[in-house]
Amino acid sequence: DAMVIQNPRYQVTQFGKPVTLSCSQTLNHNVMYWYQQKSSQAPKLLFHYYDKDFNNEADTPDNFQSRRPNTSFCFLDIRSPGLGDAAMYLCATSRDLYGLAGGIEEQFFGPGTRLTVL
Amino acid sequence: DAKTTQPNSMESNEEEPVHLPCNHSTISGTDYIHWYRQLPSQGPEYVIHGLTSNVNNRMASLAIAEDRKSSTLILHRATLRDAAVYYCILRDRGNTPLVFGKGTRLSVIA
Repeated sequence: DAMVIQNPRYQVTQFGKPVTLSCSQTLNHNVMYWYQQKSSQAPKLLFHYYDKDFNNEADTPDNFQSRRPNTSFCFLDIRSPGLGDAAMYLCATSRDLYGLAGGIEEQFFGPGTRLTVL
Repeated sequence: DAKTTQPNSMESNEEEPVHLPCNHSTISGTDYIHWYRQLPSQGPEYVIHGLTSNVNNRMASLAIAEDRKSSTLILHRATLRDAAVYYCILRDRGNTPLVFGKGTRLSVIA
């Protein structure tokens, strides 16, 4: 089945030690998103890629970066994780944005990576 | 973005209908109403969407008020598997990135 895959499902890092989370998709979608979800809170959009175009949300900390080397893969880099960055990180995809392909573009989510910062 | 207001939590008995309300009094003419749900320990998943008319699919029904300032997600027969957080989201022209509000946590009692 076509899907959104996130590895690893659980990641433990140390305070200040850079960490990379990965997302891959077999849907061949143009758009990939990263969300942060802290305990008992709603998912918060960090940024998204439309093809190679990167779109950062205004309140996303500089500590968070992203790379999309090809259509299938997208990475979330946290340069110096703090205790406050412990969260579930969700990757999502959609075929297109803004109805360019016509119709409503559903977002498909991966299962998430739960990040613990020690 | 136009905001939505949902109750924090609701409870339902198994196999009974559930009506999940959402208020969106500042909705604009180009905003689509989307519902996603998040089952425990999973990413959110699409449920249904609509613009003006009521909508039905295999998962649920969406009833939209005539003035579009409110809507209701209807689960016709709740099952234990429907226990989740349900998010009502407005999307301009239907396709801006999803911006989640607090949602309604639905508990289903056997």
